[in-house]
Amino acid sequence: DIVMTQSPDSLTMSLGERATINCKSSQSVLYSSDSKNYLAWYQQKPGQPPKLLIYWASTRESGVPDRFSGSGSGTDFTLTISSLQAEDVAVYYCQQYYSTPWTFGQGTKVEIK
Amino acid sequence: QVQLQQSGPGLVRPSQTLSLTCAISGDSVSRNSAAWNWIRQSPSRGLEWLGRTYYRSRWYNDYAVSVKSRITINPDTSKNQLSLQLNSVTPEDTAVYYCARAPSGSYIDFWGQGTLVTVSS
Repeated sequence: DIVMTQSPDSLTMSLGERATINCKSSQSVLYSSDSKNYLAWYQQKPGQPPKLLIYWASTRESGVPDRFSGSGSGTDFTLTISSLQAEDVAVYYCQQYYSTPWTFGQGTKVEIK
Repeated sequence: QVQLQQSGPGLVRPSQTLSLTCAISGDSVSRNSAAWNWIRQSPSRGLEWLGRTYYRSRWYNDYAVSVKSRITINPDTSKNQLSLQLNSVTPEDTAVYYCARAPSGSYIDFWGQGTLVTVSS
């Protein structure tokens, strides 16, 4: 199984600050035949299912604010929130869909200072 | 707009079978590119993918090794839904269970509302 490890486990930032969440996979999730990274990011608020933010490591889902961006390739990925808003308080997960079993990171909790 | 509506009991006795249903609207369970998944979430295990079913000229299933001997995911094309059965449950199976769509068999773009299932006598 591919192990996904996120850092940090939690993040406390001020409104308007830049938040960065890292995700590392135990093996590459870059598929050579299509040059795509099989990596997604989700946001989960209390009592709700996860919500898709980013797929193919850097493609923003329709309707997701452009302050959210994804980057990275191979085994190292980053989710960036360029200017933290109050409504961004949530837990964020990365997930690989390169091979089954699909696996998720342990989550990063983002809070406002 | 795709909607996934889950139903099923919230309490299951140990050694019994957990059964959940996910009714699909806005898409077809037999669409020849989507995959339909069950995922659970607990404080101890985090988000755990359990398995999927998908149609590519015939039906396929993939299951996580951790539950492979106990799990069945079935599509019901007449009702446009999918089901989850997990046999011989223990308290470790207590979790919020989600059904979810992967539109091209890859990332997940729609989730059901979640069902908290507690395994307890």
